[in-house]
Amino acid sequence: GAGVSQSPRYKVAKRGQDVALRCDPISGHVSLFWYQQALGQGPEFLTYFQNEAQLDKSGLPSDRFFAERPEGSVSTLKIQRTQQEDSAVYLCASSIAGTSGYEQYFGPGTRLTVT
Amino acid sequence: SQQGEEDPQALSIQEGENATMNCSYKTSINNLQWYRQNSGRGLVHLILIRSNEREKHSGRLRVTLDTSKKSSSLLITASRAADTASYFCASSGTYKYIFGTGTRLKVLA
Repeated sequence: GAGVSQSPRYKVAKRGQDVALRCDPISGHVSLFWYQQALGQGPEFLTYFQNEAQLDKSGLPSDRFFAERPEGSVSTLKIQRTQQEDSAVYLCASSIAGTSGYEQYFGPGTRLTVT
Repeated sequence: SQQGEEDPQALSIQEGENATMNCSYKTSINNLQWYRQNSGRGLVHLILIRSNEREKHSGRLRVTLDTSKKSSSLLITASRAADTASYFCASSGTYKYIFGTGTRLKVLA
């Protein structure tokens, strides 16, 4: 069975470019999370989806960040007008249920470098 | 930052020794989970402990939870070189997970 996949694995963007990061969760998983992980730090929560509904976007750093999950499966995190401080690893995780208390399955992440 | 705190930040031990790492969190929780992250690999779930539990075991792992102190500890017994990784706690209320800053464990063969 496939796990969570993310693409691209690596992305280099020039400052000011827009980027789109894709997450394919485990089929049937209700919950989907996006995290940002800076070097040497733990993942920081960005946003949460329960099926297609974005229930929490409190962790998105600015209005340049936008996430969607239109059909309740694949999700895309979009960053507009990238800045150097956006450089990080972006992790996606899915979980079978819509509440906590269940294991999160993480993808390998997308390492974004903004030059 | 919304992150919890873990200590020590880094830990180096000999193979066969036990490793203990601690985690503190800030708000009331329903459960707390521990994850491992190897260099270049994704996060892998290790163990979950619910807020009404005080201790849980899984193989060589032992987790404790003290909700009055808002803290948890992870003990790895009889460590192996393959346990070398970063370890993170993640506390959760209804759905949102707050990760700690992590403990980097190095097990020397």
